[in-house]
Amino acid sequence: EGQLVESGGGLVQPGGSLRLSCVASGFSFSSFCLSWVRQAPGKGLEWVAHIKQGGGEKYYVDSVKGRFTISRDNAKNSLYLQMDSLRAEDTAVYHCVREVSSATPWFDPWGQGTLVTVSS
Amino acid sequence: QPALTQPPSASGTPGQRVTISCSGSETNIGTNYVYWYQQLPGTAPKLLIYRDNLRPSGVPDRFSGSKSGTSASLAISGLRSEDEGDYYCATLDDYLNGPLFGGGAKLTVL
Repeated sequence: EGQLVESGGGLVQPGGSLRLSCVASGFSFSSFCLSWVRQAPGKGLEWVAHIKQGGGEKYYVDSVKGRFTISRDNAKNSLYLQMDSLRAEDTAVYHCVREVSSATPWFDPWGQGTLVTVSS
Repeated sequence: QPALTQPPSASGTPGQRVTISCSGSETNIGTNYVYWYQQLPGTAPKLLIYRDNLRPSGVPDRFSGSKSGTSASLAISGLRSEDEGDYYCATLDDYLNGPLFGGGAKLTVL
């Protein structure tokens, strides 16, 4: 089945940085593509970033390109999201998700999420 | 900018059948599979339907998905109070480099 557990969220000032982590268990981590999906308070879901199994292919939603970097460490079963130049509009719960089929919105399972708040 | 349109809300009484629509275009729903997610209050989203109309193991057959042209629908039969929550459709779009979600529909069981 698999499980994903995120950490690293918190309160950060505009322009600041934060690094999110996601640890996976219960499945062959290196065999799957992964994504980050966020949800602003009271709003809908938004896909943020994708990374392929080996880490060589990465895609981002336009609003975070150049500011966010997705990476993974297959030896540690871990996914990361480095977030720089944070803006108020980046405030959201960030979920780590496994892509059942590469580069599709077939996401299962989802982590419980970690809250990022960008505010002065 | 490509978009998936869902009604903001839907409602029904226990035992009823409700449907939630997801409207797109030829570049997204028209050429790609549709996925549905259920988000119960205070929880993470959960996969409900994949590849238009398939249910993961553990999802009751009260939930069904369908697609026609550039629109998709989620049907919930035998509505229960525990079905209250938000429902999202998702697909790919030929002009985007990642998945696209609908705005979500809040289901209320009256």
